Amino acid sequence: DGGITQSPKYLFRKEGQNVTLSCEQNLNHDAMYWYRQDPGQGLRLIYYSQIVNDFQKGDIAEGYSVSREKKESFPLTVTSAQKNPTAFYLCASSTMDRVGAGELFFGEGSRLTVL
Amino acid sequence: AQSVTQLDSHVSVSEGTPVLLRCNYSSSYSPSLFWYVQHPNKGLQLLLKYTSAATLVKGINGFEAEFKKSETSFHLTKPSAHMSDAAEYFCVVSYYNNNDMRFGAGTRLTVKP
Repeated sequence: DGGITQSPKYLFRKEGQNVTLSCEQNLNHDAMYWYRQDPGQGLRLIYYSQIVNDFQKGDIAEGYSVSREKKESFPLTVTSAQKNPTAFYLCASSTMDRVGAGELFFGEGSRLTVL
Repeated sequence: AQSVTQLDSHVSVSEGTPVLLRCNYSSSYSPSLFWYVQHPNKGLQLLLKYTSAATLVKGINGFEAEFKKSETSFHLTKPSAHMSDAAEYFCVVSYYNNNDMRFGAGTRLTVKP
């Protein structure tokens, strides 16, 4: 089935450690996104990528890094510089073949807890 | 700056009664508007979207929303709630493309038997 796969679903990290969240899609979408979700808040954009080997900062990029070496993959690294990393992280993808905004397709998320 | 406000953080209805989830957006150019649903510990799924065609938009699972430019609103409705509708609902606005989507804070819908 086509879709977006995020792993791991749950992750625990000690303070000062970097962790990498995986996001893979087989929808042949050009664009991929990382969002952060905190209780009682909407999703906030961390990074996005519209094409391989290119990515842009979103609203809350500080303390995070990404790479886009393959069209299918967009991993997110939560670095030790991120002051409050405990959150639910959602990866999404979309096509780029239209003007204006279109549907985002989401993975099931990764819940990161810093101990 | 563009923004979207969901007027209720929590709505509780009885099964079989109507659902109304309210959303207002900041007025600027003509936006694209979306409603997404999220079940616990899951990703978001698109319910419906408005992109300057018909102002009454029908979505999946019996939901619909009406774009009212004069009121800058895009409220989500369903005539009869089902237990499976219990979830978090997000109103989303975009003025340009997917890179500038703004999510509301969400409305948690509870459906009582």
